[in-house]
Amino acid sequence: AQSVTQPDIHITVSEGASLELRCNYSYGATPYLFWYVQSPGQGLQLLLKYFSGDTLVQGIKGFEAEFKRSQSSFNLRKPSVHWSDAAEYFCAVATGGGNKLTFGTGTQLKVEL
Amino acid sequence: DADVTQTPRNRITKTGKRIMLECSQTKGHDRMYWYRQDPGLGLRLIYYSFDVKDINKGEISDGYSVSRQAQAKFSLSLESAIPNQTALYFCATSSPGTGESEQFFGPGTRLTVL
Repeated sequence: AQSVTQPDIHITVSEGASLELRCNYSYGATPYLFWYVQSPGQGLQLLLKYFSGDTLVQGIKGFEAEFKRSQSSFNLRKPSVHWSDAAEYFCAVATGGGNKLTFGTGTQLKVEL
Repeated sequence: DADVTQTPRNRITKTGKRIMLECSQTKGHDRMYWYRQDPGLGLRLIYYSFDVKDINKGEISDGYSVSRQAQAKFSLSLESAIPNQTALYFCATSSPGTGESEQFFGPGTRLTVL
């Protein structure tokens, strides 16, 4: 069965600093990978996704992620964090043949001004 | 107007009560999902439906049931609520696909069972 690990429960960065959120997955075939963001009191919004092609994918709000098959990773990055990026971030994997998502446990991002 | 709506947004109930959470969507998607979110556990799939006549159990279906009344409506019921069902519940929708289709989430229902 597929699984997703987000090793960092909480991360604090200063505004303007770079950000990397880690995600490792376990899945036997080629995965479909997603990053979602949840702002306080809101539902989840898709930041970006990977399912084939270029391993560096660009998303909304200046985020990008790189798929590394050899490391089973799909880390999320942003070169310069804004205070409005404070939120919880979820990595997820979907299996082929359906859209069932398996989520990681999330990383709570705090941005210091 | 929001594409995926959930009612109620907040609900407090007592142990043993029957509760229904409702989800409606205007995206025209065939596929709908119910998840629950618990702190430190992420989101876990409760039930999903790929069309009106299709209902499937997810990872944690015990204690829950669902009804797909129409393409646009998918309800989650707790027949006899218990305190460990206190959680944030999300409905989501997607178009058909082999896995690459994005899921669109509603704003969530915060349920507290006393």
